[in-house]
Amino acid sequence: DAGITQSPRHKVTETGTPVTLRCHQTENHRYMYWYRQDPGHGLRLIHYSYGVKDTDKGEVSDGYSVSRSKTEDFLLTLESATSSQTSVYFCAISEQGGVETQYFGPGTRLLVL
Amino acid sequence: QKEVEQDPGPLSVPEGAIVSLNCTYSNSAFQYFMWYRQYSRKGPELLMYTYSSGNKEDGRFTAQVDKSSKYISLFIRDSQPSDSATYLCAMREQAGTALIFGKGTTLSVSS
Repeated sequence: DAGITQSPRHKVTETGTPVTLRCHQTENHRYMYWYRQDPGHGLRLIHYSYGVKDTDKGEVSDGYSVSRSKTEDFLLTLESATSSQTSVYFCAISEQGGVETQYFGPGTRLLVL
Repeated sequence: QKEVEQDPGPLSVPEGAIVSLNCTYSNSAFQYFMWYRQYSRKGPELLMYTYSSGNKEDGRFTAQVDKSSKYISLFIRDSQPSDSATYLCAMREQAGTALIFGKGTTLSVSS
């Protein structure tokens, strides 16, 4: 998985609680991304980062926030989890974010009850 | 209409068969095309990467892009049980733009 780890790998939480997912890379790539993958929708971009403290929204950013204080770490926070955020979350990285492709982490399975 | 359409399958073939996987798209500005393979409960891994129209071959895999028809294909020759996975097409307009994924086609190769 291209030097990308995600934690936790599995999480069960309750509606209304905050949740933070972590993505850690050892490739020193500039760009990092958070996606969610749902049946019938495929992979959809939540947020991405193009450098330390530089982030931007993706297609499905409502209800999510991100932070990147170090090159190697990209955090995704669900401020108040809802059942609609039950999903598999993937982190991805790319060297420049341009024509280079993206490499994906192993995913985090989140269940919101 | 979704930007990228991909038949979800499932597609079941016997070992040794030639497999054809396809995606259509509506955005004529897409220039970069990729195929990812995703095994169950794993992250997607890049298989093929193509710029603009044409063919690209890598071992048993061939990617084709027909921009005039807005159609891309992935061919797998001599398919193996280890090819059983979900195949995702992805594409983008240019550097710095979002990667748009198809929903994936599930392939099962039986021995």
